[in-house]
Amino acid sequence: KAGVTQTPRYLIKTRGQQVTLSCSPISGHRSVSWYQQTPGQGLQFLFEYFSETQRNKGNFPGRFSGRQFSNSRSEMNVSTLELGDSALYLCASSDDPTGGWFNEQFFGPGTRLTVL
Amino acid sequence: GENVEQHPSTLSVQEGDSAVIKCTYSDSASNYFPWYKQELGKRPQLIIDIRSNVGEKKDQRIAVTLNKTAKHFSLHITETQPEDSAVYFCAASKGYSTLTFGKGTMLLVSP
Repeated sequence: KAGVTQTPRYLIKTRGQQVTLSCSPISGHRSVSWYQQTPGQGLQFLFEYFSETQRNKGNFPGRFSGRQFSNSRSEMNVSTLELGDSALYLCASSDDPTGGWFNEQFFGPGTRLTVL
Repeated sequence: GENVEQHPSTLSVQEGDSAVIKCTYSDSASNYFPWYKQELGKRPQLIIDIRSNVGEKKDQRIAVTLNKTAKHFSLHITETQPEDSAVYFCAASKGYSTLTFGKGTMLLVSP
C-alpha cells in the first residue's frame, strides 16, 4: 500500500495570510490525526478526524481548523498566520480503533510551513 | 490532560553500548505507549509499542518496559549502532487516535 502523503511539502507565507494543507491517508484508513512539530514544543496534537467528523481536539486556538472528506482525505487550515505558526505539520493515519485500544499511527512526510 | 515527561533530552553512547530512555505519564487511564524514531528530515516511524496489559516487550535489540503503578515506561536499545542515531519520542494514549508525546531524546552513537 502507498504510504501517507502530504502536500505541499514546503510553504512560505507572510503574517496574516491563511494556509491549507492536505493529507491523503493510507488506503482503508479512516482516522486522520494532525500534529504540529516545533523544536521548542516537540510534537503537539492538533485534532483527529474519523468518518468526516472531528473526534478529538488539542489545545490550539480556533485559527486552526480541519476537515475530512468522504474518501478520508483531510485538510487543515490555519487562518491569520502568526510567526509562531512556523512548524512542521504532520498528519498520521490509522485503522479504525475499536474496543478502546489504540492502533498504530503511520505518519506522512510533513509540510514545512514558514511564516515571515 | 495527559502529560508525558521524557529524559534525557540528549544521550551520547559508544557503539556497542546500551542506551536507556525513560518516560513518565500522568493519566492512569492511558493504555497504549508507542516509541517513535525520527531521523533528520524524515517522518517519525514506530519502532516498538506496548499496551497496558503487558509489562515488557522485546524486538531484537529493542525492548520496552512498563510500570503502571509508577506510571513509567522505558526504551532499552542494546548493542547500539551508528544508524541508531536519531531523535526518539515516547508517547501515551488512552484511546482512539490521540497521542501525547514526550519532548524527545536525541541519541548519538559514536563509532
